[in-house]
Amino acid sequence: DSGVTQTPKHLITATGQRVTLRCSPRSGDLSVYWYQQSLDQGLQFLIQYYNGEERAKGNILERFSAQQFPDLHSELNLSSLELGDSALYFCASSVEVREDTQYFGPGTRLTVL
Amino acid sequence: DAKTTQPPSMDCAEGRAANLPCNHSTISGNEYVYWYRQIHSQGPQYIIHGLKNNETNEMASLIITEDRKSSTLILPHATLRDTAVYYCIVRHPRSGGSYIPTFGRGTSLIVHP
Repeated sequence: DSGVTQTPKHLITATGQRVTLRCSPRSGDLSVYWYQQSLDQGLQFLIQYYNGEERAKGNILERFSAQQFPDLHSELNLSSLELGDSALYFCASSVEVREDTQYFGPGTRLTVL
Repeated sequence: DAKTTQPPSMDCAEGRAANLPCNHSTISGNEYVYWYRQIHSQGPQYIIHGLKNNETNEMASLIITEDRKSSTLILPHATLRDTAVYYCIVRHPRSGGSYIPTFGRGTSLIVHP
């Protein structure tokens, strides 16, 4: 158990819909990362937040957005969903913005039908 | 950004040492080598990291060549539970000082009885 929690574990929805994935980092960790993992793409970095502020962006689509709240939990919002958005979405946390020892959550499996 | 090259797959007998190689010939002087692993569909798990010297922890040992162009992760007594995809990544700086690990395809290690 990494100490990072993600909800829900599974999510099934239809194309065009919007969903919100939630992540609670380890106690004391200020930095949160979001990753997408699909079969043909491997683990892709989406976005990073540190203490409520966006710090780095990866290959995140404009239909996707994220935020980190004052209690440090983070949400990833996916809208206008397409079949290709079906994937595992992982959240990770670390103590500092430059700390690379990341602790990953169990992931949310999103299926878009 | 330093890239890494790993064999796509390896196998190992249970109880024997598993030696997983990684090539990072373009690594720069201030970049660390990190290893993570991912058991099927679970969140990646941090294993170990190093800069120049060999490192050891309760999970594994990391051997980095003197020229730092390659490294080897050693699982001294592999068990069936070590079957996973192992990722070797090199930390590279981004704007604003954020360090974003770039996960490649990794090495799929299968430990057999």
